Amino acid sequence: DAMVIQNPRYQVTQFGKPVTLSCSQTLNHNVMYWYQQKSSQAPKLLFHYYDKDFNNEADTPDNFQSRRPNTSFCFLDIRSPGLGDAAMYLCATSSTGVTEAFFGQGTRLTVV
Amino acid sequence: GENVEQHPSTLSVQEGDSAVIKCTYSDSASNYFPWYKQELGKRPQLIIDIRSNVGEKKDQRIAVTLNKTAKHFSLHITETQPEDSAVYFCAASRGNQFYFGTGTSLTVIP
Repeated sequence: DAMVIQNPRYQVTQFGKPVTLSCSQTLNHNVMYWYQQKSSQAPKLLFHYYDKDFNNEADTPDNFQSRRPNTSFCFLDIRSPGLGDAAMYLCATSSTGVTEAFFGQGTRLTVV
Repeated sequence: GENVEQHPSTLSVQEGDSAVIKCTYSDSASNYFPWYKQELGKRPQLIIDIRSNVGEKKDQRIAVTLNKTAKHFSLHITETQPEDSAVYFCAASRGNQFYFGTGTSLTVIP
């Protein structure tokens, strides 16, 4: 009964080689988030979409971009991955107003 | 953005004892405060939440308290069990933006 699905679960990419992580949802939520979580740290908000409106956090590096072609899908593009970008990337969704965020299983990115 | 601090970073308790985790937030406009449990290698999952118009909420062995004036909120787990062992994150939300605390690794010793 997965509601927020992330693919792939594990991704290995080369240093500097663009990589895309994907997220889909069956909840029809209008808000989608991307978080970066490094080992033993809290999830760090990178950006979120409120419907089609993109909201970038001030400290999110330019190396990270996102696309949301429709309500169900959202992509995280890392243009030139560095070793420091190795982390778990979590996608989450919520609906308008104050409700809980539902998380996907995450994609663990390794940069070699 | 919002700054959420969480303490302690690690907590060990004997099975059956209580555990308390505390968080503070900086943005007085934050109005929703969820708590997530994350087991190793798994997604964060909501265990309890509280809104700014409520001071306390309880769900079986889990309770959360909120002090808006002091901008802090706490998670209380009573009668802890080994399966409560996990990392717990508090979060503060304003509108649709969620900001997480640094996490507390809870170990319940059988």
